[in-house]
Amino acid sequence: AQSVTQLGSHVSVSEGALVLLRCNYSSSVPPYLFWYVQYPNQGLQLLLKYTSAATLVKGINGFEAEFKKSETSFHLTKPSAHMSDAAEYFCAVSDWNFGNEKLTFGTGTRLTIIP
Amino acid sequence: GAVVSQHPSRVICKSGTSVKIECRSLDFQATTMFWYRQFPKQSLMLMATSNEGSKATYEQGVEKDKFLINHASLTLSTLTVTSAHPEDSSFYICSAIWFFDRVPDTQYFGPGTRLTVL
Repeated sequence: AQSVTQLGSHVSVSEGALVLLRCNYSSSVPPYLFWYVQYPNQGLQLLLKYTSAATLVKGINGFEAEFKKSETSFHLTKPSAHMSDAAEYFCAVSDWNFGNEKLTFGTGTRLTIIP
Repeated sequence: GAVVSQHPSRVICKSGTSVKIECRSLDFQATTMFWYRQFPKQSLMLMATSNEGSKATYEQGVEKDKFLINHASLTLSTLTVTSAHPEDSSFYICSAIWFFDRVPDTQYFGPGTRLTVL
């Protein structure tokens, strides 16, 4: 069974500071990993995904994440936070086999940006 | 990226009535769609997997007679909440799998539907 753990349900950073949102996964097969962002009363928007290609993945809005197999981690980072980054972020894992394309989500991290 | 729409975005209904929510993949065909439920300040809970042309697969604990799913075409899945009660009030989100070269690539999400049952 797959699972995702997001450390820190709330993270606050100052505008312009580094954003680091943590995600650790558990999977018995090589995983596909995703980061999604959710703004209030909206659906989820894909930020980036890892699908067994390059371990450093660049996404939209300046975000990137690095897949580290040895640490079973897929942390999300952004060098300089903007006010518009305030949202809920979800890490998700899938083994993406045919007939089992389910995503398993973490519990989410609410990012607050301090002016 | 691919676009998934939902309609309506908000619905308020009386207890005992049924509500239908539509999920459409606008620029791609989706043989597989998912329906999620999200409670305030919580993560998404998968309710069911909707497969075009076949019966939906429900997650454990989800009442299939309560939450009817129909995936009649490659671009449309519907969720009908039958005999809705206040405890069914929630944010319902659908998603669709986009395949790249016949391989599942990305799950795209709709904007969600806020259901309030009075």
